[in-house]
Amino acid sequence: QVQLQESGPGLVKSSETLSLTCSVSGAPITSYYWTWVRQPPGKGLEWIGYTYYNGITNYNPSLNSRVTILVDTSKNKFSLKLSSVTAADTAVYYCARVRPGNWFDPWGQGTLVKVSS
Amino acid sequence: EIVLTQSPATLSLSPGERATLSCRASQSVGTLLAWYQQKGGQAPRLLIYDTSNRATGIPARFSGSGSGTDFTLTISSLEPEDFAVYYCQQRGNWPPYTFGQGTKVEI
Repeated sequence: QVQLQESGPGLVKSSETLSLTCSVSGAPITSYYWTWVRQPPGKGLEWIGYTYYNGITNYNPSLNSRVTILVDTSKNKFSLKLSSVTAADTAVYYCARVRPGNWFDPWGQGTLVKVSS
Repeated sequence: EIVLTQSPATLSLSPGERATLSCRASQSVGTLLAWYQQKGGQAPRLLIYDTSNRATGIPARFSGSGSGTDFTLTISSLEPEDFAVYYCQQRGNWPPYTFGQGTKVEI
């Protein structure tokens, strides 16, 4: 079955760029759309954006100017870059597959990223 | 942006009881609503999609209903493993996809 695993630095300095990677196994990354969702500590879920291997992307308007999501088909991975981070970007970041019907399933285990001043 | 409001914030029940969770949308999303379960320290898991369809492997005690702006997740008889936080999510009007703030089902 499809499995996802996030990786990247757990600490990013304020004003810098957060970079995470999601490794996909169990399916070719070209077969589905892929998405990122985040969850600040103790709070709810916020959709960040999605991507397709051919370059199609769609981002949350609230983050649009700072977000880039890309696919690396050679490594069966996709990535998230979030620029100019602040403390408000501290969260657990999840990657997930966008299954047919546009629902998110399954999800990676998540990775906590803290933004320090 | 569609705002999803979940109620109650916390539901205190005992194993074997019936749980009824509500999700209200600020405008119609048709039947394009899903429910996710999140246990402590874990990633969310898709339970119900398109209002009433159970995802693969989800027990029959979970059911969803509703349309338009009012939706319900029902757990017919709570098992110990069902105590968790539940989120609704819409894709009826996006971007962005939006989530409710969650309902915690506690013992």
